[in-house]
Amino acid sequence: DTGVSQDPRHKITKRGQNVTFRCDPISEHNRLYWYRQTLGQGPEFLTYFQNEAQLEKSRLLSDRFSAERPKGSFSTLEIQRTEQGDSAMYLCASSSQGYSGNTIYFGEGSWLTVV
Amino acid sequence: TQLLEQSPQFLSIQEGENLTVYCNSSSVFSSLQWYRQEPGEGPVLLVTVVTGGEVKKLKRLTFQFGDARKDSSLHITAAQPGDTGLYLCALTKQSGTYKYIFGTGTRLKVLA
Repeated sequence: DTGVSQDPRHKITKRGQNVTFRCDPISEHNRLYWYRQTLGQGPEFLTYFQNEAQLEKSRLLSDRFSAERPKGSFSTLEIQRTEQGDSAMYLCASSSQGYSGNTIYFGEGSWLTVV
Repeated sequence: TQLLEQSPQFLSIQEGENLTVYCNSSSVFSSLQWYRQEPGEGPVLLVTVVTGGEVKKLKRLTFQFGDARKDSSLHITAAQPGDTGLYLCALTKQSGTYKYIFGTGTRLKVLA
C-alpha cells in the first residue's frame, strides 16, 4: 500500500503527558501537511512542509506543538504537556509538487484522547 | 475560523432521492476539492476543480465550480446508503500557497 500512513491510530494519554505522532507520506510526495479535526468540524490546518522546510504554521500551533520533517520524508508531530482541549483527530496529508490543483491525500488519522 | 460555508449542515434522505450540497466563500478560489469522510477515517478525495464553470461527473456525483470561482455544488443522483458520510469542500485561496481551508461539512445520511 502506498498511501499516507499514520501511527498510532489511537492514543489515550493523561493530561500533562507528551505525545508524538508519526506520518509517512506517499513516497514521491514532497509536501506534507498536518491538520486537526474535532467532532462536528472540518479539518483545521496546522502546518505544512515542503521537503524538510516548514513553510507555514497556523496560529493554532501553540508553543506546546512542534512538527518536524528532518529528512524530507516522514514527519512527527509532538504535543507537550497535553491538555484536554488537545483531544482531536490529527490528520496528515501529502501532495506532489506541480499543477493540477495540488491534490492532497490524507491518511486515516491519529485519534488523541486526553483524560 | 472557517472561511467556507457549507450547506446544509445535515441531510437525511431516502434511498433513491436526489440531493445537492453547496460550498460558498467570499473569496475567489484557486482550486477546490470535494472529499467524503466516514467516521474514524481520514477524508477521501472525490474531485478537484480548477476552472471557473467547470463541471465534473463521477458516476452519480456531479460537481460544479461557479463561474466566479467562489462557490461549488455537489449533486448526487439516486442516492444510496453507501453515499452516507461527511462531505467536505476545501480550497486554496491563491496560487503559490498550498494551505487548504476546509468547510465544516455536510453530514449526509441515506436511509435504505
